[in-house]
Amino acid sequence: GAVVSQHPSRVICKSGTSVKIECRSLDFQATTMFWYRQFPKQSLMLMATSNEGSKATYEQGVEKDKFLINHASLTLSTLTVTSAHPEDSSFYICSARDDGGRFSPLHFGNGTRLTVT
Amino acid sequence: GENVEQHPSTLSVQEGDSAVIKCTYSDSASNYFPWYKQELGKRPQLIIDIRSNVGEKKDQRIAVTLNKTAKHFSLHITETQPEDSAVYFCAATDYKLSFGAGTTVTVRA
Repeated sequence: GAVVSQHPSRVICKSGTSVKIECRSLDFQATTMFWYRQFPKQSLMLMATSNEGSKATYEQGVEKDKFLINHASLTLSTLTVTSAHPEDSSFYICSARDDGGRFSPLHFGNGTRLTVT
Repeated sequence: GENVEQHPSTLSVQEGDSAVIKCTYSDSASNYFPWYKQELGKRPQLIIDIRSNVGEKKDQRIAVTLNKTAKHFSLHITETQPEDSAVYFCAATDYKLSFGAGTTVTVRA
């Protein structure tokens, strides 16, 4: 089945530093990838839609200058948390849909646990 | 945008009994409704999905029903087992996936 690889799985960084998270579709092409954020015991909240070759679309309330998204190829999207602060600590999960169509299931990466100290 | 409501937030059932989780959605354009199971610290796993042109779908002990007129859909798990204990999320989409708040299911042995 379709596999989405996300790295790193865990990262601890100091306040003020930046962290990059990679999301790769291993065996399918994904023109669009989605980035979610999940706080403990809460649901997945869509942060942004990553579009290959164009700018990402951010959900209301998500700072685009803080959460930089780059979708450089049909198999790779990156999320960079810039100038991270403790409140950015969360579980970040990427997902991708096979370009086969909108009825195709979303495949999720394993997630990245970010802890900002 | 799409707003998905999910109930109950927690559900405790005796092993062997059935579990039912209900969701409603707001956007009539939504046409794909997946259900995910998430274990602690892990990614959501798709367990079943249904498209808007189908009213019911079953896969072994899991079934999903969809009522487009009322804009609600439900997950049914029969003969529950301890390994069914997890958080379950419903979702709805026309393009972007919107998740319900989640239901923590505990199956008591």
